[in-house]
Amino acid sequence: GQQVMQIPQYQHVQEGEDFTTYCNSSTTLSNIQWYKQRPGGHPVFLIQLVKSGEVKKQKRLTFQFGEAKKNSSLHITATQTTDVGTYFCAGVSGGYQKVTFGIGTKLQVIP
Amino acid sequence: NAGVTQTPKFQVLKTGQSMTLQCAQDMNHEYMSWYRQDPGMGLRLIHYSVGAGITDQGEVPNGYNVSRSTTEDFPLRLLSAAPSQTSVYFCASRSSYEQYFGPGTRLTVT
Repeated sequence: GQQVMQIPQYQHVQEGEDFTTYCNSSTTLSNIQWYKQRPGGHPVFLIQLVKSGEVKKQKRLTFQFGEAKKNSSLHITATQTTDVGTYFCAGVSGGYQKVTFGIGTKLQVIP
Repeated sequence: NAGVTQTPKFQVLKTGQSMTLQCAQDMNHEYMSWYRQDPGMGLRLIHYSVGAGITDQGEVPNGYNVSRSTTEDFPLRLLSAAPSQTSVYFCASRSSYEQYFGPGTRLTVT
């Protein structure tokens, strides 16, 4: 079945440093979604990328979808303590558009 | 507009007991899913539904049943609870553009 790998699993950064998490799928995706989960909370949808090579920005967050639609990245510029949480990618594929989550990257920001 | 609601928030079961986790959405989404989240395992798909009367298995369906009689509701049934089913369960509802998660049910099986 489809597998979605995500690295790194953990990342500690000083406040103000940049952060990137990477996602790689074993199969070509229809689209990819990104989520943020705060400790004790539920996943919150951030964005969906659909087109090959797509790049989207949300303030300090930049999302990319690879040309082959098998990989993606999330980059945060100048991290803040409010960025703390776990970031998940989720690949969507198949006739029923099943969603398969990566393991997540837990981000700690040191003030 | 409540989004996705789940009940109960917490539940403790003894091994062998059965129960139903409730999930409801008010966004008229056709697609709903159940996930479990365990430490170090991410979110794993249990079952999903693409509309009333249509369900299918995800990655980890064993020990769970679902049915979808209305667009709004998608309950998850644990047939005979086992300690391996101790987890946080999330229900989700999605459109073509985004997916919304409920607040979760924290289940402990002793």
